[in-house]
Amino acid sequence: SYDLTQPPSVSVSPGQTASITCSGGKLGDKYTCWYQQKPGQSPVLVIYQDMKRPSGIPERFSGSNSGNTATLTISGTQTMDEADYYCQAWDSRTGVFGGGTKLTVL
Amino acid sequence: EVQLVESGGGLVQPGGSLRLSCAASGFIFTIYWMSWVRQSPGKGLEWVASIKQDSTEKYYVDSVKGRFTISRDNTKNSLYLQMNSLRAEDTAVYYCVSQSSSNWSFDFWGQGTLVTVSS
Repeated sequence: SYDLTQPPSVSVSPGQTASITCSGGKLGDKYTCWYQQKPGQSPVLVIYQDMKRPSGIPERFSGSNSGNTATLTISGTQTMDEADYYCQAWDSRTGVFGGGTKLTVL
Repeated sequence: EVQLVESGGGLVQPGGSLRLSCAASGFIFTIYWMSWVRQSPGKGLEWVASIKQDSTEKYYVDSVKGRFTISRDNTKNSLYLQMNSLRAEDTAVYYCVSQSSSNWSFDFWGQGTLVTVSS
């Protein structure tokens, strides 16, 4: 089965840049999405097709994907960005999520 | 406004059955794939199943194959998940999710319904 690996936690100071990685075999050959989930809320799509932002998602969210690693970057991180982030890709018509990364802004 | 409203969750004994429903509104239901994604308490997200617009294609995670059945009724803008032979490890919040037809991203999520499998 296909696996996606994320760091369990990432910390960043307000105003700084946060980077969250997602690793998987030949992940760069697949499209990666990123979802944000705040406590007690449903997930929200923040990046699709590696680097595209849905309507309403701030420009400070960006993504990249190459080789075996996809990266979600949050520039000028705000306290409201504190949440769990999940990467996701498709492998042979099977949906796969990474284990999630807790982003702490302090 | 897009709305996905799940119902049908609850407490069920191991080996039992449950049928989840999802009522969709605010978007053109018939042009979207639809999916179920679950989240065990305190854990991460897990894709469960997806269904094509016309129900001709259905995909499942290995752990539910043969036990769960995804279906939809385009005349009612509704999505369903029939869950049989339930196990303790199926305990989770189940989300109804719209899936983009062009890039398969999970665009919109419902609020979720909790399924608890316990004796």
